[in-house]
Amino acid sequence: GENVEQHPSTLSVQEGDSAVIKCTYSDSASNYFPWYKQELGKGPQLIIDIRSNVGEKKDQRIAVTLNKTAKHFSLHITETQPEDSAVYFCAASSGNTPLVFGKGTRLSVIA
Amino acid sequence: EPEVTQTPSHQVTQMGQEVILRCVPISNHLYFYWYRQILGQKVEFLVSFYNNEISEKSEIFDDQFSVERPDGSNFTLKIRSTKLEDSAMYFCATTTFLNTEAFFGQGTRLTVV
Repeated sequence: GENVEQHPSTLSVQEGDSAVIKCTYSDSASNYFPWYKQELGKGPQLIIDIRSNVGEKKDQRIAVTLNKTAKHFSLHITETQPEDSAVYFCAASSGNTPLVFGKGTRLSVIA
Repeated sequence: EPEVTQTPSHQVTQMGQEVILRCVPISNHLYFYWYRQILGQKVEFLVSFYNNEISEKSEIFDDQFSVERPDGSNFTLKIRSTKLEDSAMYFCATTTFLNTEAFFGQGTRLTVV
């Protein structure tokens, strides 16, 4: 089955700097790669997703890149703000399988 | 904005007792899921449910677990005889179709004592 690895487990950045979180996946059949943000005491919330027919997707300060050959995808947050502090999870799935999550990255944005 | 609603938000139960966690999916969603998150760890898949039957389940989802949609609205997860290691956050999620955005509920924190 699918295995998703996520790095780093914790990340501290100064407000205004960029943050990058990386994930690798094992199943070449996976074609959907969402990123979720989880704030304390809440459920995961989708912030951006990408499908395997696209190499990059951007939504304001958030971007995701996908390298299908290397089986890795990354989340980029620019101009970080304190409210970006949360745990971020990457996930992967194919058309027939449920989401498999990475272990999460705790992002702290220091004002 | 549509949302998935879970009840209760927190449940404390004695080891060996049965618990039922409830979820109200988004109305036009067809696929329902339960995930578990042990404190500080990743979100783990338990089971998926479509067309009133289980479509996939993980190794975690053993005979102590069951799911059903008894009244066409609530989607429930039952743990028959709880163990200490069942203590976790349990999230319900729903999607319109496979491989589309999954909407998660706020979760139920289950504490087994």
